[in-house]
Amino acid sequence: QKEVEQNSGPLSVPEGAIASLNCTYSDRGSQSFFWYRQYSGKSPELIMFIYSNGDKEDGRFTAQLNKASQYVSLLIRDSQPSDSATYLCAVNRDDYKLSFGAGTTVTVRA
Amino acid sequence: GAVVSQHPSWVICKSGTSVKIECRSLDFQATTMFWYRQFPKQSLMLMATSNEGSKATYEQGVEKDKFLINHASLTLSTLTVTSAHPEDSSFYICSASRARNEQFFGPGTRLTVL
Repeated sequence: QKEVEQNSGPLSVPEGAIASLNCTYSDRGSQSFFWYRQYSGKSPELIMFIYSNGDKEDGRFTAQLNKASQYVSLLIRDSQPSDSATYLCAVNRDDYKLSFGAGTTVTVRA
Repeated sequence: GAVVSQHPSWVICKSGTSVKIECRSLDFQATTMFWYRQFPKQSLMLMATSNEGSKATYEQGVEKDKFLINHASLTLSTLTVTSAHPEDSSFYICSASRARNEQFFGPGTRLTVL
């Protein structure tokens, strides 16, 4: 079982719609969860982090964490073509190390 | 804040040569720096963890004698790919950690070995 699993996509959504990305992790002791956005040919960019169960909102992004289900998600509201990218879910492995999922590719159709 | 730079952004070299990549945290002191490798359409694979003043910790399967890491200060880490071969061609990305596991990534270095 992979440590962090994501649907690879591609996830195609129309402009203005909500994009919903899911991530599950295997280590029940994980405490920190991150979403990174990676444009093609570029390095990842941190867009959200969440440590506690529940929702965390930042602009058009909302991260949701459910530790009991070992599940973390990212919602992108009012999707824009500029949101087209690969979204990487990352979970802390042990002190200061992160495990990354394979990423979900999102395409926003204009 | 939290800006990380990498140099060079791309490099092409002949097989058998060595290549050095620098990673700098520009506006903060990084407790830890990390080196990743990413092949096309794959996720990031952690190669090693680097702490200032101590030896790097390598992930399983990563040859420490081939990928030399030097962490000279709280703002600078270098990765040297020794005797590079075509299979080492990849996108090498460093990151720097400030606190609570947050990692900020450099722009990456694309290495092509001919």
